[in-house]
Amino acid sequence: QKEVEQNSGPLSVPEGAIASLNCTYSDRGSQSFFWYRQYSGKSPELIMSIYSNGDKEDGRFTAQLNKASQYVSLLIRDSQPSDSATYLCAVNMDFNKFYFGSGTKLNVKP
Amino acid sequence: GAVVSQHPSWVICKSGTSVKIECRSLDFQATTMFWYRQFPKQSLMLMATSNEGSKATYEQGVEKDKFLINHASLTLSTLTVTSAHPEDSSFYICSASSVATGARSSGNTIYFGEGSWLTVV
Repeated sequence: QKEVEQNSGPLSVPEGAIASLNCTYSDRGSQSFFWYRQYSGKSPELIMSIYSNGDKEDGRFTAQLNKASQYVSLLIRDSQPSDSATYLCAVNMDFNKFYFGSGTKLNVKP
Repeated sequence: GAVVSQHPSWVICKSGTSVKIECRSLDFQATTMFWYRQFPKQSLMLMATSNEGSKATYEQGVEKDKFLINHASLTLSTLTVTSAHPEDSSFYICSASSVATGARSSGNTIYFGEGSWLTVV
């Protein structure tokens, strides 16, 4: 079992819709969770971090964490074509040990 | 967020030569830096974890004698690809771990450099 799992996609949504990206992780003791966005040919950029159960909102992005079920999700409201990218879930399972999912490719169609 | 700078962005080298890539944390001290490789349309692959002042820890299958990592200071780590071959052509990305502070967050956060495209001809 991989430490962090994501559906590779592609996930296609129409412009203006809500995109929902999911991630599960194996280590129940994990404390820190991150979402990164990576455009083709570029390095990943941090979108959000979340540490506590529940929702965390930042603009059009909402991260959701459920430690009991060991999943973390990212919702993108009012999706735009510029949101088309690969979204990476990362989990900090130990001091300076970060595990990345393989990423979910999101296509937002105009 | 924290800034990590990587240089060069693009490099072309001849087969058999060596090339060095630098990774700097500009506004924070990074005791740990990570090096990744990514082939087109594939996932990030962690190559090694670099701790300041100690030897890097390499992932399984990564040749430590071919990919030399030096982390001599809290703000600089270098990756040297030795005796490069065309199959080493890839996108190399570094990241640095920054300790987050504040009442509402805790723990480390990873910030990525811009990446370096290596082409070996």
